[in-house]
Amino acid sequence: SAVISQKPSRDICQRGTSLTIQCQVDSQVTMMFWYRQQPGQSLTLIATANQGSEATYESGFVIDKFPISRPNLTFSTLTVSNMSPEDSSIYLCSVEDRRQLIYEQYFGPGTRLTVT
Amino acid sequence: KNQVEQSPQSLIILEGKNCTLQCNYTVSPFSNLRWYKQDTGRGPVSLTIMTFSENTKSNGRYTATLDADTKQSSLHITASQLSDSASYICVVSAAEGNNRLAFGKGNQVVVIP
Repeated sequence: SAVISQKPSRDICQRGTSLTIQCQVDSQVTMMFWYRQQPGQSLTLIATANQGSEATYESGFVIDKFPISRPNLTFSTLTVSNMSPEDSSIYLCSVEDRRQLIYEQYFGPGTRLTVT
Repeated sequence: KNQVEQSPQSLIILEGKNCTLQCNYTVSPFSNLRWYKQDTGRGPVSLTIMTFSENTKSNGRYTATLDADTKQSSLHITASQLSDSASYICVVSAAEGNNRLAFGKGNQVVVIP
């Protein structure tokens, strides 16, 4: 299994500011993802963080709003830019283990963001 | 429309009792179905993963069933404990689209003494 840590665990931010969330994995992984989990809603994939190249964004998410870095196989950051109250959510980092026939997916503890 | 629907949305059960959570999905072509447990303030943790050829899988007091023909799954919790209070998320993986996952909204379970 993979052990994932995220920083910060929670934050309260003012609208218009930006927050960068860090994700650290205890082993090298190829696939790393960022999800958003809004209250009462299912997890929504924001983007796939690609090592050495630009992230692949899902429909409805853009790089200017959610820039992502992936400098190596164990670390990634997600920035929530120019925040508004609608960005209040839990942001989760996830990695996929493709060494098995069925790809197991592991999640970090999440970052709870509140925008005032 | 969400491809994965879970019911009930929430339930309260007495400690020691059993409960069953339901998941219906429309994802096709189907690859596998997973149940995750998410404690408050934590990320989801995998309980079971089943492919189309499996119709039941257990993990301790958790037993998942799968009917790939009717596209239904259930998660049965036996002899519930206070630590079972959590959200249980049904996740279905498609056999195409680079293993894309479809998430349900979760069943919120509260176990009371």
